Amino acid sequence: EEQLVQSGGGLVQTGESLRLSCAASGFTFQTFWMTWIRQAPGKGLEWVAGMSPDGTYKQSVGGRLTISRDNAQNSLYLQINSLIADDTAMYFCARDSGYSRLDCWGQGTLITVSS
Amino acid sequence: QSAPTQPPSASGSPGQSVTISCTGTSSDVGTQNYVSWYQQYPGKAPKLIIYEVFKRPSGVPDRFSGSKSGNTASLTVSGLQAEDEAHYYCASHGVSKLFGGGTKLTVL
Repeated sequence: EEQLVQSGGGLVQTGESLRLSCAASGFTFQTFWMTWIRQAPGKGLEWVAGMSPDGTYKQSVGGRLTISRDNAQNSLYLQINSLIADDTAMYFCARDSGYSRLDCWGQGTLITVSS
Repeated sequence: QSAPTQPPSASGSPGQSVTISCTGTSSDVGTQNYVSWYQQYPGKAPKLIIYEVFKRPSGVPDRFSGSKSGNTASLTVSGLQAEDEAHYYCASHGVSKLFGGGTKLTVL
């Protein structure tokens, strides 16, 4: 079964840093683009970062967010530095197939930033 | 780039058909066929239901269909069922993804 299992997140203080993890199984992780999507409470979906299969190309919405991957460990990561209240959201990792669809999603992990 | 526009809500009775629109620009929705739709239940991860405008992943009922005209993509749910009550999001794909604001579908 193709699966993405997320870990990390929780309640953090403003200004702290956090790293989210996403472990893939059931498919050839190293051949897929991967993305991070977030959803603030009661709001819609927002793309925040994406990375190519070999990790050479990446893009994110801001300088505080860094996407990375370890293909040997079948894992995707999202580092968020200097957390602010607006970072409070559910974060999902997702597989990007053929540049055209997000067809496998993690269960989501919640980050709550408190002052 | 600004997000594609979706109506915040839509509704229909069981057995009816409902269409949800997703209006972008000639730079996103209008320029390529990489438009997808996602269904999300409260507290759950989104699920892909339509990709590349009209294609359905395996396991998605054929009650769900997609189309596009110009800068507007559409999702039609035919033969509405109670289980279709959820939020629906469109997305325009490139390296980054532009999601619409979402539509809450209510089955009356």
